[in-house]
Order: sequence, then C-alpha cells, then structure tokens
Amino acid sequence: KNQVEQSPQSLIILEGKNCTLQCNYTVSPFSNLRWYKQDTGRGPVSLTIMTFSENTKSNRRYTATLDADTKQSSLHITASQLSDSASYICVVSEDGANSKLTFGKGITLSVRP
Amino acid sequence: DAEITQSPRHKITETGRQVTLACHQTWNHNNMFWYRQDLGHGLRLIHYSYGVQDTNKGEVSDGYSVSRSNTEDLPLTLESAASSQTSVYFCASSSSATNEKLFFGSGTQLSVL
Repeated sequence: KNQVEQSPQSLIILEGKNCTLQCNYTVSPFSNLRWYKQDTGRGPVSLTIMTFSENTKSNRRYTATLDADTKQSSLHITASQLSDSASYICVVSEDGANSKLTFGKGITLSVRP
Repeated sequence: DAEITQSPRHKITETGRQVTLACHQTWNHNNMFWYRQDLGHGLRLIHYSYGVQDTNKGEVSDGYSVSRSNTEDLPLTLESAASSQTSVYFCASSSSATNEKLFFGSGTQLSVL
C-alpha cells in the first residue's frame, strides 16, 4: 500500500531559527512530490513540486530536497517567521493516467516569538 | 484574479438530512476534486472529475455523490448525512497538464448532529 510518513508530528521553534521537516514515502511508480502549507482554517497552498530528476527546489525561505533512491524528502525553512506557523503536508503523486495522490498527515509547526 | 470558492464555510445539520456543499472555480480547470480532512488522517479523496459529465469515485466515496454539469462547479451531496461525515471538506482544482499543482478552496466545516 502506498504511504507517506511525515516527521516529526509537531515542532515548536523560536522565531528566526531554522528547521527541517521530513517526509518518507513508499509510493510507486513515482511521478512527483509536493509540499503544501496549510494555515489554520484555510486550504493547503502549494510550496513546491519536485519531479524525479530534481534534487533541490527553493521557494523564498523554503528549500525542498528529494532523494528518489531512498524515497525521502525534506523541507527546510530558513530564518523562520511567525507566519510560518502552519501545517506542512507532503504529497506524493503516482505515475500513470490517474496520477493518484497520497497525502501525509502533516507536520504542525509553531513559531514562537 | 481566478479563484476557487466553497460555500457554506460552516454547516450544521441533522443525521438523515441531505446536504449539498458548493464548489466554484474560475480557473477554467478541467480537473476538480473533493477531499475530507480529519484528525489523524491525511486528506482523503471522496470524488473527482476530469471534465464536464465525468465523475469518479475516490477512496471514501460511500454516502457521497457529485455531478459536473459545467466546467466551473462540482457540488458535493451527502445523500443522508451521518455523524461519521462530520469533517472539514476541501474542494480543489487543477489543469489537465501533468505535474500541475492543486488549488484548494478554504474548506467547509460540516457538523452532523
């Protein structure tokens, strides 16, 4: 069964610090991996989409990495801000006509002043 | 600006009642999706559509139905609401191209009493 596991489940950091969120997956065949940010009471918003050939992708202070061999991804947040407090969801897409998505349960990040 | 909107934002209903949640997108996307989000679970796919008159069942489709009579709308109907359907419901859309990101609505919080 295809699965996406995220760790840690939750994280508290101080404003200005860096942090790294992890995602492991067993989805096969692999098409792409996505990171979404979900603010409380809102829908998820796309941060990055990475295909098999992409190792690193950045979006402002967010840097995602992908190791397709070990089936692992990380999302690194640099110089955290209070507005980074949210849930971060890893999503993996299957390769194929339906491009089925498997969602992780999300990591709750709290940035404290 | 293009957007995807859901209504209502909050809904309380009684068991056994029929409930319809609205989703409207102005992206002109062919693909539309309904997900539910519950504590301890990742987003789970209820139904999806790849175009007008096309509808497909997702992994948790029992008790739900959708119809796609135009490009912009994909209403979700709970035929006879059950307490197990208390959840937050998200509508999403994407273009037909591969590796395209999903755009999510802000969600509908549904409580079935």
